[in-house]
Order: sequence, then C-alpha cells, then structure tokens
Amino acid sequence: DQQVKQNSPSLSVQEGRISILNCDYTNSMFDYFLWYKKYPAEGPTFLISISSIKDKNEDGRFTVFLNKSAKHLSLHIVPSQPGDSAVYFCAASARTSGSRLTFGEGTQLTVNP
Amino acid sequence: DADVTQTPRNRITKTGKRIMLECSQTKGHDRMYWYRQDPGLGLRLIYYSFDVKDINKGEISDGYSVSRQAQAKFSLSLESAIPNQTALYFCATSDVDRGLRDTQYFGPGTRLTVL
Repeated sequence: DQQVKQNSPSLSVQEGRISILNCDYTNSMFDYFLWYKKYPAEGPTFLISISSIKDKNEDGRFTVFLNKSAKHLSLHIVPSQPGDSAVYFCAASARTSGSRLTFGEGTQLTVNP
Repeated sequence: DADVTQTPRNRITKTGKRIMLECSQTKGHDRMYWYRQDPGLGLRLIYYSFDVKDINKGEISDGYSVSRQAQAKFSLSLESAIPNQTALYFCATSDVDRGLRDTQYFGPGTRLTVL
C-alpha cells in the first residue's frame, strides 16, 4: 500500500504565480516530512522539511504546511520561476523506523514563462 | 566535486547477466541507501546500511544484493538481471548526528536497461 501519495502527476503554472503541490499520508507514525526536487539526469536534492510539532515552515519562496488531522501536507512556491520546473517528491519518516524515508510518486511542476 | 558518486551512469545489459552498481561518498556519513525510481512509483528503498557491519532489506530487495565495502562505499548487485529491473537507481547517504534529521543526499543516478 502506498503510505505517501501525491495524487497529481503534473502541475502547470504561470511564472510569478503560486504553485501548490499536495501530499497525503496514511501512516500515523510519520512525524517528519521532507520535500525533494529533482531535475532530469540528476539525483533528488533536499528542499525543505517540517516536523510534526509544527504546522508551517518557511524558507524563502518555499513554504510547507502540515495538517496532521487530515494527514496532508502541501508545498507552496511563491512566486514561481521557470527554474522551479522539476519533479517534486514528498517524503516521510518515523522515529521508530530510523532514518528511512517513504516517498510519494512525485509531481512534475512546469512553470511557463 | 560531487559528494555522492555513482558508476556507471548508464548501463545496458542482457537478461541473465550479473551487474554491479557502485556508490562512493565523501560526506563521511555512516548511513547509505539504494533506491530505484520507476515512472509513477516514486523512489522505493531496496537496501540500506547504517554502518559497515549493518545491512538491511528495504521494501523491494528481491533480486538484489548489496555489499558495504567501507564507510564510503556501498555496491548494489543484480545477480541475474531481468527486464523489470530496468529503472533509474539512486544511492543516498545520511548522517544521524549532524545536520537535518533524516535528510538524505543523493547521487546522480544510474540508468539501467535490461534487454
């Protein structure tokens, strides 16, 4: 069963607008969440993370929101830039499982100039 | 220079062949991981190692084996390759004692095609 799901395989937005990428999880033991960005022919790179004790974490243009009751998190990118075009993966971990990450399927974001 | 390197970057092989993918890191991290990426399935964990003497199966270890030759080296082997092992393979590292919790650092990937 897919414990971390990204239901939108793709998202297209205009430059300067907000991009919102969504992620749902089912395992209530997950207490730490990460977003990774992946460009073609490169490995995923860490973008931003959030602990379950918070509901928001911000880093420049990137903000992650966590709704524990809904088991839902989202990544907001404001303003979106063409260089943000990439595949974004949501990942989750639980203290009880060491540092293993469970990844979602990924969402291809395209930012149009 | 890249902190996590993978060799080869691309490989085409035939069904039944044995193949090894290698990963090296200069980050000084104790923990290393092997993932495969398939379209629509995201990244799935094959094996992981928390130190040189520790090897653990991930969610899709069947058909694969690993070797942790040193803190800096972690190899993935396909003993008898089959076409459904065609995928993009990533190595990753993490350090539990420093930096952000559970943050993993990935190599550039190996694209493997099994004919």
